[in-house]
Amino acid sequence: KAGVTQTPRYLIKTRGQQVTLSCSPISGHRSVSWYQQTPGQGLQFLFEYFSETQRNKGNFPGRFSGRQFSNSRSEMNVSTLELGDSALYLCASSPLDNPQGTQYFGPGTRLLVL
Amino acid sequence: DQQVKQNSPSLSVQEGRISILNCDYTNSMFDYFLWYKKYPAEGPTFLISISSIKDKNEDGRFTVFLNKSAKHLSLHIVPSQPGDSAVYFCAVSSNTGKLIFGQGTTLQVKP
Repeated sequence: KAGVTQTPRYLIKTRGQQVTLSCSPISGHRSVSWYQQTPGQGLQFLFEYFSETQRNKGNFPGRFSGRQFSNSRSEMNVSTLELGDSALYLCASSPLDNPQGTQYFGPGTRLLVL
Repeated sequence: DQQVKQNSPSLSVQEGRISILNCDYTNSMFDYFLWYKKYPAEGPTFLISISSIKDKNEDGRFTVFLNKSAKHLSLHIVPSQPGDSAVYFCAVSSNTGKLIFGQGTTLQVKP
């Protein structure tokens, strides 16, 4: 099976702009989670979607939003970008019947905000 | 308040020796504990997990130990290989679609 794919891989934006990142999960996986990785804060959970519904949300401002489509693909959007939003954004998918909560990560989108 | 802590930012070992990576957690309600490996410019790769009802799980060169009374888990890699050089994250799962990660330990295995 193909792994989790994320597009674009790299992105440069300026403060105040908005950005949309895309994630395609492993075929058959219906849960998609998003994480932000920064040197200071490590890997932090943003939100999780299952069957087009947000099931869980991390402690991020409302500028961070997401959605999931009927084919399980997901997008996340960050509006009014700030310098501190520069980070690696990781998407992960997981299968049904997964009590241990194992998630499979994509390569990430590296966002630089100038 | 950090719920998962990896107190050693880095670890250096000789090829062929044992690597021991440690992780502490605060909440005894976590169900599963996982280890991920991350190379630069790649996403984390799942390595091994352990349920809260077990104290040991083994997969090839990788063994995870869980000490619930101490709220401590460790990952043993034997024998260590240069290709194991990477950042290792421990994570906990409470079956809510959310993983809580430690800050990571950078392992360097010297040939």
